[in-house]
Amino acid sequence: AQSVTQPDIHITVSEGASLELRCNYSYGATPYLFWYVQSPGQGLQLLLKYFSGDTLVQGIKGFEAEFKRSQSSFNLRKPSVHWSDAAEYFCAVCSYNNNDMRFGAGTRLTVKP
Amino acid sequence: NAGVTQTPKFQVLKTGQSMTLQCAQDMNHEYMSWYRQDPGMGLRLIHYSVGAGITDQGEVPNGYNVSRSTTEDFPLRLLSAAPSQTSVYFCASSYSPGQNTEAFFGQGTRLTVV
Repeated sequence: AQSVTQPDIHITVSEGASLELRCNYSYGATPYLFWYVQSPGQGLQLLLKYFSGDTLVQGIKGFEAEFKRSQSSFNLRKPSVHWSDAAEYFCAVCSYNNNDMRFGAGTRLTVKP
Repeated sequence: NAGVTQTPKFQVLKTGQSMTLQCAQDMNHEYMSWYRQDPGMGLRLIHYSVGAGITDQGEVPNGYNVSRSTTEDFPLRLLSAAPSQTSVYFCASSYSPGQNTEAFFGQGTRLTVV
């Protein structure tokens, strides 16, 4: 079965600094990859997704992610973090023929003023 | 658009009690699922359904039952609540697997079992 690893449990960055959240997946075929964000007390909101094609995908709120098959990674980036980006971020993987979407454990982002 | 609606938002149960968490979606999605979220463990799939009348187990199904009598509704039943089931539960829905597997999530149900 597929699995997702988010190596960083908690990251703190200063407002205006750049951000990269790491995600590694394990899956035999081409995966469908997602990044979700969860604000405190809320459900999950989709930031971006990768199904095929261009390996650099743009999402909402200025986020982007790059699919690197050779490294089995799908890292999330943002050039300049805003205080409102403080939240928990989840990477997820799903296969075309499988109904089982697997999530990473999440990375909590704190933004310093 | 209502999207995915979960009720209740909060619930406290005593050990051994049973209850049903409700989930409804108005997007005509075939696929619905239930997750539990625990600190440091992300979201883990409990059960899922690919359409009315069809359900299957996910990663952590023990202690939970589901049924899918309509496309819109996918209730999750706790048969005999245990403290280990204290968690936040999320329901999600999406189109059938394929190009459009983006999942839409409800706001969650925070369950405490004492």
